[in-house]
Parts: sequence; structure tokens; C-alpha cells
Amino acid sequence: AQSVTQLGSHVSVSEGALVLLRCNYSSSVPPYLFWYVQYPNQGLQLLLKYTTGATLVKGINGFEAEFKKSETSFHLTKPSAHMSDAAEYFCAVSPSGTSGSRLTFGEGTQLTVNP
Amino acid sequence: DGGITQSPKYLFRKEGQNVTLSCEQNLNHDAMYWYRQDPGQGLRLIYYSQIVNDFQKGDIAEGYSVSREKKESFPLTVTSAQKNPTAFYLCASSSRDSNQPQHFGDGTRLSIL
Repeated sequence: AQSVTQLGSHVSVSEGALVLLRCNYSSSVPPYLFWYVQYPNQGLQLLLKYTTGATLVKGINGFEAEFKKSETSFHLTKPSAHMSDAAEYFCAVSPSGTSGSRLTFGEGTQLTVNP
Repeated sequence: DGGITQSPKYLFRKEGQNVTLSCEQNLNHDAMYWYRQDPGQGLRLIYYSQIVNDFQKGDIAEGYSVSREKKESFPLTVTSAQKNPTAFYLCASSSRDSNQPQHFGDGTRLSIL
């Protein structure tokens, strides 16, 4: 069984400040990890993913995330927030070595960017 | 452009009525998924299909039905047995490799009249 916990359902930052969205997972096998972003009344868009290899993953819109196996974490960061980053962010996990990409999602973090 | 098309964008259901949500993809993906999204609850899996003519229940399948007669299409029917159908419904597709991301449509918002 696998699960995802996103710490903080709402995060508020000032424009230009560091964005840090937290994600911890539990999985009985090495996981594949994903971050998605959702704008109001739209579907989810992939920001980045970790499968194997380098543990620091860069994604679109200046976001990056680091896979830390010892901490079972995959936190999402961006050095400088922009107003357009305001959205809901979802962390998801898929078990490796299985057929099919059935994902387990966290409950989401709503990011607000203040001017 | 390849992608996933969900229709309609807004849908209203009367009491006792079944309604069907459409999902079509031209990404040549084998797997397709239906999720329900409620505020503060993330995405919950309703049904998924990894191949034509086969599908499995997800975590909240009661009151819903699906079919997968074509690779490109995975319609979801919300039956009258679903007592709380008001939600945002998202369709997704992917290859069958677990390291590949799911691609999402823009959703259908279902409300009760």
C-alpha cells in the first residue's frame, strides 16, 4: 500500500519569496514520484517527475524537487515566487515494478502569492 | 495536437437521472482513468482501464459505471444510485508503464438541479 501526505493545505508567500511545498510518501517498493499543478476549473498539468537517477529533478516554470529516500520526502521548491504560480499543487506516487501507472495523490496544497 | 477531451464542461443532473460524461484521447494511450475531485479531498479514483474491454473499480466506484469499447474512449455514467454526485470529474490517460505520468483533460463539473 502507498500513501502521500502533503503538509499544509494552504501556503501563502510573498512575490519573490521562496516557495516550499512539502510531500512525504510511504511505499512498500521504490516509488515513482510526481508533482502536478492545477489552475481553477482546469485539469492537472505535470510539473516534474522522479523515476530513477539524479535525485534533484528540475521541472517547468522554474520548479524543482529533491527525492530524499531516507526522509521519504519529495518537496517542491521554487527560488522566487511569481503571481502566476498561484494554484493548487498535488504530489502523487506510483509503485515501481508494476504494470500500469495507477497514482495515489496527496490532498493538495493551495498556494497563494501575495504582491 | 494530441490530448484528452472531456465534454461537456458543465452538466446538470435531475433527481433519479443517469448522466454520461465523455472522455476521448488521441495520445494512443492504453490506460485511462476517472477521478472525482471534491474541495479539500484531492483526487479519488473511480474506475480505471488498462486495455480495451477491461476495467477495474477504483476507491469510490459505487454509483458509477464505465465502458471501454474503444482505445480512444472511456465514458463515465453517474447513475441515480450515486447520492452525492456534485463534484468535478477528471479523466486521464497514460501508457501502461508505471514511470510515465498521467495526462489530464480539463474536467466536467457536475451539479444537481
